[in-house]
Amino acid sequence: AQSVTQPDIHITVSEGASLELRCNYSYGATPYLFWYVQSPGQGLQLLLKYFSGDTLVQGIKGFEAEFKRSQSSFNLRKPSVHWSDAAEYFCAVGALGGYQKVTFGTGTKLQVIP
Amino acid sequence: DGGITQSPKYLFRKEGQNVTLSCEQNLNHDAMYWYRQDPGQGLRLIYYSQIVNDFQKGDIAEGYSVSREKKESFPLTVTSAQKNPTAFYLCASSIDPRGDTQYFGPGTRLTVL
Repeated sequence: AQSVTQPDIHITVSEGASLELRCNYSYGATPYLFWYVQSPGQGLQLLLKYFSGDTLVQGIKGFEAEFKRSQSSFNLRKPSVHWSDAAEYFCAVGALGGYQKVTFGTGTKLQVIP
Repeated sequence: DGGITQSPKYLFRKEGQNVTLSCEQNLNHDAMYWYRQDPGQGLRLIYYSQIVNDFQKGDIAEGYSVSREKKESFPLTVTSAQKNPTAFYLCASSIDPRGDTQYFGPGTRLTVL
């Protein structure tokens, strides 16, 4: 069965600093990988996704993620964090073919300090 | 504007009562999903539907029921058999169920008094 691990429950960064959120997945074949963001009391918004091709994926709001098959990772990065980036971030893994549910990680809550 | 709507935003229920959460989408998506979100546990799949008049149990279906009579609508009923129903409920849809991108509604927070 597929699984996703987000090892950091909570991260605090200063505004303007760089950010990296970690995501490790377990899946036997080539996965579909997603990063979503959730503001308090709201639904999830897709930041970016990887299906195939270039392993460095650009998303909305200046975010990017890199798929590393050898490390089973799909870490999310942003060069300079803005106060409005404070939210909870979820990594998710899915798979092509038949119905395969998308499995979500437990989330990383990002706090941005001035 | 295409999207997913959930109503109501906040819902209060007395113990022992059934309650139905609404989810409507105008994205023309075939697949729809219900998730439950509790602090520190991520999203857990309750039910999903790949097509009209068809739905499947997810990981935590006990105490919940759904219907899919129309493509646009996928209501979730939280029954009195659900032992701990207080949670944030999220509805999502995707073009097809084969691992595709899911689009989420704004959620309904259910509180059992």
